[in-house]
Amino acid sequence: GAGVSQSPSNKVTEKGKDVELRCDPISGHTALYWYRQSLGQGLEFLIYFQGNSAPDKSGLPSDRFSAERTGGSVSTLTIQRTQQEDSAVYLCASSLGLAGNTGELFFGEGSRLTVL
Amino acid sequence: AQSVTQLGSHVSVSEGALVLLRCNYSSSVPPYLFWYVQYPNQGLQLLLKYTTGATLVKGINGFEAEFKKSETSFHLTKPSAHMSDAAEYFCAVYSRRYSTLTFGKGTMLLVSP
Repeated sequence: GAGVSQSPSNKVTEKGKDVELRCDPISGHTALYWYRQSLGQGLEFLIYFQGNSAPDKSGLPSDRFSAERTGGSVSTLTIQRTQQEDSAVYLCASSLGLAGNTGELFFGEGSRLTVL
Repeated sequence: AQSVTQLGSHVSVSEGALVLLRCNYSSSVPPYLFWYVQYPNQGLQLLLKYTTGATLVKGINGFEAEFKKSETSFHLTKPSAHMSDAAEYFCAVYSRRYSTLTFGKGTMLLVSP
């Protein structure tokens, strides 16, 4: 597609349930990033992929969070046993490969997660 | 490690007035610096960036920013605010070591008629 696509755009779930958030990056972009945006907290880096590999998982808030990327394209962020503090907008971004990468990211519109 | 500080979570200006959004960074290596804008219910959009070369960079919608190494600043300005400029603005620094953008907490720009 022309831009980064995220789904669902909105998700309301009950505490304790698992959720999956999907990101489809711009075609040809090898790097993919997940950020979390909470009110008043700015953007919190979660994880990035170069191809299918995630070199640094230290940004994930807890072991309930996991992410994968297959085929160098679509990525899924999974939150297990959701808690109310997980409520936020989850933003995905992609960029050209790291070689010559000046850091410009292209963002999707986000998935708004509400945990009741 | 890189970090970014944006002074003021909210800035209010009148239409036609000067816009000044402040950003200071911390970086142990020459920084790549960015300003992104987020309109309501949308993703972030690149406004402008500094990598190397000219320290005054121009972006979209009449915005510009100046990299001042001595002040570790990258403030965003626009001579005359429009109502359509009302949005949240994020300053960011790129970490080439970790291949991530570190963002500030954002500044909400409010424009009144």
